Amino acid sequence: DIQMTQSPSSVSASVGDRVTITCRASQGISRWLTWYQQKPGKAPKLLIYAASSLQSGVPSRFSGSGSGTDFTLTISSLQPEDFATYYCQQANSFPLTFGGGTKVEIQ
Amino acid sequence: QVQLQQWGAGLLKPSETLSLTCAVFGGSFSDYYWTWIRQPPGKGLEWIGKINHSGSTTYNPSLKSRVAISVDTSKNQFSLEVTSVIAADTAVYFCAPYSGGSGGLDPWGQGTLVTVSS
Repeated sequence: DIQMTQSPSSVSASVGDRVTITCRASQGISRWLTWYQQKPGKAPKLLIYAASSLQSGVPSRFSGSGSGTDFTLTISSLQPEDFATYYCQQANSFPLTFGGGTKVEIQ
Repeated sequence: QVQLQQWGAGLLKPSETLSLTCAVFGGSFSDYYWTWIRQPPGKGLEWIGKINHSGSTTYNPSLKSRVAISVDTSKNQFSLEVTSVIAADTAVYFCAPYSGGSGGLDPWGQGTLVTVSS
């Protein structure tokens, strides 16, 4: 199985801050990387697929980059509704695997 | 667009069988792989397995011996069974379509909390 490692596990930030989350795969996954946002008690929501493609309806302050083993999710200007947990997921091979999550908290 | 509605028993005793169903509304049932994912309370996400419209399945090796996913194309539904449940199977279970084109799961069902307790 491909292991996905996210860092940091949590980050404290303020509204307007730029936030970057990283995800590392245990082996190369090309650009088969998806990012999700999950709020408490809710199902995850797809933000970015294929490493950098923004899902329809997702604000442009979210962006993704990377290929191979190293990927980043960036929120350019944090908004109140962005406080949530973010997960990466690889789709290079089955079983699909997820990172451990990054909780973005209010500073 | 695709919408999902899932249901099933929420409280089980150890050794019983977990059974959940997910109904699909909208979209083309044959366009996706239909997938189950679970999330233990306060923890991360674990992919359980997938099925396509013709019944071809792929399971996570960590659960493969106890899991079965089936499909009913006449009702646009797919189901999950996990046999011989234990406390560690306590989780919120989600259904979602997987797109081979994007590699993503979207949208997700509302989730069903399944608790295993004696």
